[in-house]
Formats: sequence, structure tokens, C-alpha cells
Amino acid sequence: EIVLTQSPGTLSLSPGERATLSCRASQIVNSDFLAWYQQKPGQAPRLLIYGASSRATDIPERFSGSGSGTDFTLAISRLEPEDFAVYYCQHYGNSPLYTFGQGTKLEIK
Amino acid sequence: EVQLVETGGGLIQPGGSLRLSCAASGFTVNNKYMGWVRQAPGKGLDWVSIIYAGSGGATYYADSVKGRFTISRDSSKNTLSLQMNRLRVEDTAIYYCARADPYWGSLDDWGQGTLVTVSS
Repeated sequence: EIVLTQSPGTLSLSPGERATLSCRASQIVNSDFLAWYQQKPGQAPRLLIYGASSRATDIPERFSGSGSGTDFTLAISRLEPEDFAVYYCQHYGNSPLYTFGQGTKLEIK
Repeated sequence: EVQLVETGGGLIQPGGSLRLSCAASGFTVNNKYMGWVRQAPGKGLDWVSIIYAGSGGATYYADSVKGRFTISRDSSKNTLSLQMNRLRVEDTAIYYCARADPYWGSLDDWGQGTLVTVSS
């Protein structure tokens, strides 16, 4: 069973700063099946990144994904006020078929 | 425009049954991979089930719901359903339906969710 561990649990930054969120898998995974989501309070999650590095439709260029093997990163180049939310990584393809990380809360400093 | 609207949530006693529906528009449910993800109050995302495309689409479940939940589609109504039996307190959550990409596995579109509360 693949376990995804996200760090940090909470990240406190100011608008305009760069955010770097980590997702570590318990074993090597195929990066094609690694995705990132954003969730704001009271809303459904929204797909940001699929295939570890491809931006989903209408996602701003300040969001980027990278990584391979067991270590993946979501970066937000210059934080906008609307970017403060919870972020989840997700893997598809093993038992269980879907695995989510526990989430990173990005809060305003 | 793709839209997913879940209904059927509510308060149910432990051991009871509930059926959730997800009405889709902008695409045909039978041609897509469709799934359910839940989120307990204040907690993270938890995958529940998925059904693959086609009339004989394979189904998969999280171990925590296997044997109690059943995912299905109604092509005539273009809806996805989740039949939940033998409900437990720990099944309390917002249940989201989502459309999945058949290769990447990403959950591309989500409904707004429906709250299921299992309590005596």
C-alpha cells in the first residue's frame, strides 16, 4: 500500500512570496499518476496538476508541479490572496486504487 | 459545461441504508470513469469507489466500504449512484462525486458534495 506524506502540515506565508509544498510516497510511483488539488473552505476540491507536472484547465501559470520517484513538489511562484487553502496530493493505480496525502494548509502569515 | 450535482444525503442511524445520486450534465456518465470521494468533518480526502467506463465497467472500492457500498450508473438518467448499507458512525462525511481521467487517474471535475451523518 502506497502512503503519501505531505509536508509541512501548515505553511505560513505572505502574499507575493513563493510556496513550496512536498509530497513523499512510501515507494516509487509512476509520476503519470500523481495529482495535486486545492480545496478552499466549504468548497469541493479542484484539480490543479496531473501527471505530476501538467496544469489542469484554467489553472494559472504560477502553479507548477515537479518530481519523480518518491518525491514530488507543488510550487506557487507568487502567492495571491485566493491561493490560501488546503492542498492535497493524490496517487492513482495501486491498492487502494486512490491514495491521498493528509494535506498541507497554506495560511496567511 | 460539465456539472455534477449530488443529492441523497441526510441523517441516518447506524446500521441503516442510504442511496446517494449524482446527476451529471455536459457529458455522458456511461462513457466516463466516475467515482466517489468522501471527507469527514475537519479531515482530509478519502477515496470511496470508482466505476470504469462502458456498460460492463469494472468497479473498485476502498477496503473500508467493500461489501457495504455499491457504485452504479443509470444511463437513462445520466446519473451515478452510491448505495450505502450497514452504515457506521465513521461513514459520516461529505460525499463528493467526481469524473476521473481514464489514463492519468486525476479527478478532473467534482460536485459540491452531500453530507451524510450517521448517528443515533
